[in-house]
Amino acid sequence: DGGITQSPKYLFRKEGQNVTLSCEQNLNHDAMYWYRQDPGQGLRLIYYSQIVNDFQKGDIAEGYSVSREKKESFPLTVTSAQKNPTAFYLCATKTSGYTGELFFGEGSRLTVL
Amino acid sequence: AQSVTQLDSQVPVFEEAPVELRCNYSSSVSVYLFWYVQYPNQGLQLLLKYLSGSTLVESINGFEAEFNKSQTSFHLRKPSVHISDTAEYFCAVITYNTDKLIFGTGTRLQVFP
Repeated sequence: DGGITQSPKYLFRKEGQNVTLSCEQNLNHDAMYWYRQDPGQGLRLIYYSQIVNDFQKGDIAEGYSVSREKKESFPLTVTSAQKNPTAFYLCATKTSGYTGELFFGEGSRLTVL
Repeated sequence: AQSVTQLDSQVPVFEEAPVELRCNYSSSVSVYLFWYVQYPNQGLQLLLKYLSGSTLVESINGFEAEFNKSQTSFHLRKPSVHISDTAEYFCAVITYNTDKLIFGTGTRLQVFP
């Protein structure tokens, strides 16, 4: 089946620990994105990557890191520097061009205790 | 920089009643506009989009949106809602010179029997 797989779906961590969220796609899309969703704030862009081995900061990149070593994979690390990491994280891919549609994974819910 | 405003955070409505979810955008350049829908604990799905041509666009499940350039709006409407339309709806915008989709804060549509 073609699509985007995010794992884990739910994750609990203690404060001060780094956490890595996985995002894998088999849609053969070049562009991949990480968004953070909080109630009442919509989706905010953390990082995005338009091509392998390249990525750009979004609006709220502080406390997060990413890598793009393979076209299929775009993992997000939530570091201990992120002051309020509890949120719903969404990975997306996009078809080429500015008018391309975003395709979303089912999300990962991170709770920091 | 572009921005998207969804003034209504929640819209309660009875089944079979009409509904309008409002979306206004701000941009100094031409934009492409999207509506996405999110069901609980899931990712977002594209509902409809305006790229060019006819200013009225329709989805397969009865929603429609009209691009109004003079009022910088892209309101979403449905003449008769169903219980299954209960979800959160996000308006989004992208400009031709970026590859970042900017989302509004979302409107939660609650349909009551």
